[in-house]
Amino acid sequence: EAQVTQNPRYLITVTGKKLTVTCSQNMNHEYMSWYRQDPGLGLRQIYYSMNVEVTDKGDVPEGYKVSRKEKRNFPLILESPSPNQTSLYFCASSWGGYNEQFFGPGTRLTVL
Amino acid sequence: KNEVEQSPQNLTAQEGEFITINCSYSVGISALHWLQQHPGGGIVSLFMLSSGKKKHGRLIATINIQEKHSSLHITASHPRDSAVYICAVTLEYGNKLVFGAGTILRVKS
Repeated sequence: EAQVTQNPRYLITVTGKKLTVTCSQNMNHEYMSWYRQDPGLGLRQIYYSMNVEVTDKGDVPEGYKVSRKEKRNFPLILESPSPNQTSLYFCASSWGGYNEQFFGPGTRLTVL
Repeated sequence: KNEVEQSPQNLTAQEGEFITINCSYSVGISALHWLQQHPGGGIVSLFMLSSGKKKHGRLIATINIQEKHSSLHITASHPRDSAVYICAVTLEYGNKLVFGAGTILRVKS
């Protein structure tokens, strides 16, 4: 089954404790992206990647890191999480930014 | 001013009604996306448009590139159509996506 998976689905952590949210896709897509969704602000793009070793900033990259060492994986790294990073995070993949986007199920992160 | 504006923000309809959700954008784009998000969070892509019109079942999406405007129509609406509908654009240069705030649709039976 074609899908985008994210782990964990739910995470409660404390300020400053480094964490990684994994994202994996099995569709051989070249484009992968991370978004956060906040009430009143909607979805905002954090980072995107056009291919292995190619990443670009979205609208809200501060406080986040990404890497694309393999085509199928695009982890999101929060080196020192803060409460303002409490949000619902979505990973997505597609053939390109101008193609149909396939979203993962979301990761709800709470930073205390 | 947001680069992508949706209207209305909230919409309540009776089952069977014809529904229109609008999206206007102020930037150059290479594509426009309509997404659906049901309560519980999952996001599904409904349409990706670069010109003209697309139809899938009871859903129709149109785009007018000159007027920088797109509409999503739902014919014969049903309570299961209740969801948040989100318009997004892929910027013309690069592959960055920008999203509208979403339209919360509730269809009553």
